[in-house]
Amino acid sequence: AQSVTQPDIHITVSEGASLELRCNYSYGATPYLFWYVQSPGQGLQLLLKYFSGDTLVQGIKGFEAEFKRSQSSFNLRKPSVHWSDAAEYFCAVGPSKINQGGKLIFGQGTELSVKP
Amino acid sequence: NAGVTQTPKFRVLKTGQSMTLLCAQDMNHEYMYWYRQDPGMGLRLIHYSVGEGTTAKGEVPDGYNVSRLKKQNFLLGLESAAPSQTSVYFCASSHPRAGKNEQFFGPGTRLTVL
Repeated sequence: AQSVTQPDIHITVSEGASLELRCNYSYGATPYLFWYVQSPGQGLQLLLKYFSGDTLVQGIKGFEAEFKRSQSSFNLRKPSVHWSDAAEYFCAVGPSKINQGGKLIFGQGTELSVKP
Repeated sequence: NAGVTQTPKFRVLKTGQSMTLLCAQDMNHEYMYWYRQDPGMGLRLIHYSVGEGTTAKGEVPDGYNVSRLKKQNFLLGLESAAPSQTSVYFCASSHPRAGKNEQFFGPGTRLTVL
């Protein structure tokens, strides 16, 4: 079965501390991987994506993620968290082939709180 | 470009009432999607469309219908609303360029069914 698991429902970090959000996936074929962020009352904004090549990808707002095929993981990291990073983060996986409708499977989300 | 827009932003319905949510995109995307978001469950796909005039069921299609008469619009209908359909609904679109299905999201519609 295809699925995405974000093991941490809620994480609290201090401002300036480092952050790692976990994402594990189960997918039958070579996947495309995404991280989205959702601020309260807003839609989802793409942070970064992995299609192929270098397994460490850089995104917006200073975020990066590393694809580890052997662990079926795509963890999101940031070296120093800012108060404005408080939001909900979603990991998603989708097909790499054109004729599969582009459907994404989303994880349950991780809510990030930032302490001053 | 406005990107993906959704109408209305908020709506309160009584059980049994019907309504249509409108999604519009100005990016000439082929694919469009309707999701619902409920606490602790992430986003779940309701219906999607891979082109004008075509629709398909997603993970949670029951109680919803969709239409894609024009490429830029994707309508989600609730024929007889139920309290279980209280949710936040998101529309998204994407273009299958070389298989890179990055989805662009609208701001959402918050629906309450009493």
